[in-house]
Amino acid sequence: GAGVSQSPSNKVTEKGKDVELRCDPISGHTALYWYRQSLGQGLEFLIYFQGNSAPDKSGLPSDRFSAERTGGSVSTLTIQRTQQEDSAVYLCASSLVGGPGGSYNEQFFGPGTRLTVL
Amino acid sequence: SQQGEEDPQALSIQEGENATMNCSYKTSINNLQWYRQNSGRGLVHLILIRSNEREKHSGRLRVTLDTSKKSSSLLITASRAADTASYFCATAARSDYKLSFGAGTTVTVRA
Repeated sequence: GAGVSQSPSNKVTEKGKDVELRCDPISGHTALYWYRQSLGQGLEFLIYFQGNSAPDKSGLPSDRFSAERTGGSVSTLTIQRTQQEDSAVYLCASSLVGGPGGSYNEQFFGPGTRLTVL
Repeated sequence: SQQGEEDPQALSIQEGENATMNCSYKTSINNLQWYRQNSGRGLVHLILIRSNEREKHSGRLRVTLDTSKKSSSLLITASRAADTASYFCATAARSDYKLSFGAGTTVTVRA
C-alpha cells in the first residue's frame, strides 16, 4: 500500500467491552509505533515495535492495554474492559528504522482510529 | 509526558502573511521534527532537523534549532488557506527512539 492504514476509522463501544484496533504499516518498515491523542492534546506514546525485538511497552497506561505485531508487519492494539477515559484517537506510525543513536527516520502516520467509549 | 511545548497555542493570520511558531523542549535531543495535522486525524511529516544543524529549509518552510536554548521555530512563508492545520513539534532523545510531542499550535489562515 501507499501508506499506513488503520481500521476501523471509527469505533463506538460500551464501557466494559473489549476493542481491537488494527494497523498495517508501510511495507518494509521495521519500526511500528502506537500513539494516543486525546481531544486538543498532543500525542502520547503507547508502545513501540522494532523488528523481532521485544516491544517497548513503557507507554501503555494500564494492563488493560496490550499490543502485538505478527510477522513483523500488521499490529493489533487491544483494550480490554474499556473505560470512558480511553476515548481518544489512536494513531499508528511506521518508519524504516528505529533505535537510539544513529540515524532516525521520519515516522509515517496512519489516519487513526477514533474510539468513543459510551 | 510531553517534552515539547509549542507557542502560541493558536495563531490566526491573513493569507499571504508569514506564520511563526516556537517549540521548547527539556532534554538533550538527537533530532527535532515538525508535523502537521489536519482535522484531528493523521499527521504529516514536514521537516526534520538534527541536533548539529541550525537551520533547514523545505519549500515555504524554514526551521531553526537552538540547542543552547532548547528551542526551535517553524516559519511558514506566504501562507495559504491550505496551511490551516495544527502543527506539532516532536523530539527524539539521544538515547531513545520514540517521539515526544507537544500540544501543538493551531494555525488558521484567513482568505
